[in-house]
Amino acid sequence: AQKVTQAQTEISVVEKEDVTLDCVYETRDTTYYLFWYKQPPSGELVFLIRRNSFDEQNEISGRYSWNFQKSTSSFNFTITASQVVDSAVYFCALNAGGTSYGKLTFGQGTILTVHP
Amino acid sequence: DSGVTQTPKHLITATGQRVTLRCSPRSGDLSVYWYQQSLDQGLQFLIQYYNGEERAKGNILERFSAQQFPDLHSELNLSSLELGDSALYFCASSGLAGGRTDTQYFGPGTRLTVL
Repeated sequence: AQKVTQAQTEISVVEKEDVTLDCVYETRDTTYYLFWYKQPPSGELVFLIRRNSFDEQNEISGRYSWNFQKSTSSFNFTITASQVVDSAVYFCALNAGGTSYGKLTFGQGTILTVHP
Repeated sequence: DSGVTQTPKHLITATGQRVTLRCSPRSGDLSVYWYQQSLDQGLQFLIQYYNGEERAKGNILERFSAQQFPDLHSELNLSSLELGDSALYFCASSGLAGGRTDTQYFGPGTRLTVL
């Protein structure tokens, strides 16, 4: 069975602070994909990134960066110089395939509040 | 805008009633997924269709059913509604084989309130 744990329920920071959102996953599959989604106050789910289990290179996209470490089953997300517009709920998700095909298993989400 | 559309945006109904939620995938996408987001259960996968055929099933209640039509739009039918069915229902779509390699793009959701 697949499981995703986001231990931080809520994080509060002041604008321009860096913040890291943790994600730990469990799966017995050797091939799997990891995702991060953002859910702003308006409610939609916005795709941020997808990584496969064979690519452990860190990725940077503007103020966003992701650190994938297979050894610790973690896929952490860092926002550098946070802004008020980053306030949202962030979800980490796992797709390990098999007979579950496209099923995404989500973590419980981390509520990020960035204060001006 | 992900390109996935869902109607209606909001739905208020009474216990025991039946409702239908509609989803149109992004142009060219063959797979459609349904998820339920509630405060106590979080985001839960319900069901996946690929090119009209059911491909994967999650913890979908027997009172719930879905289908994907030849034009690839999908409907989620919820019947004998209970208070606990109140939730945000998302549809997502993806373009490849409907497997783990796909990125799923989500619609804006339908907020269902059962009174």
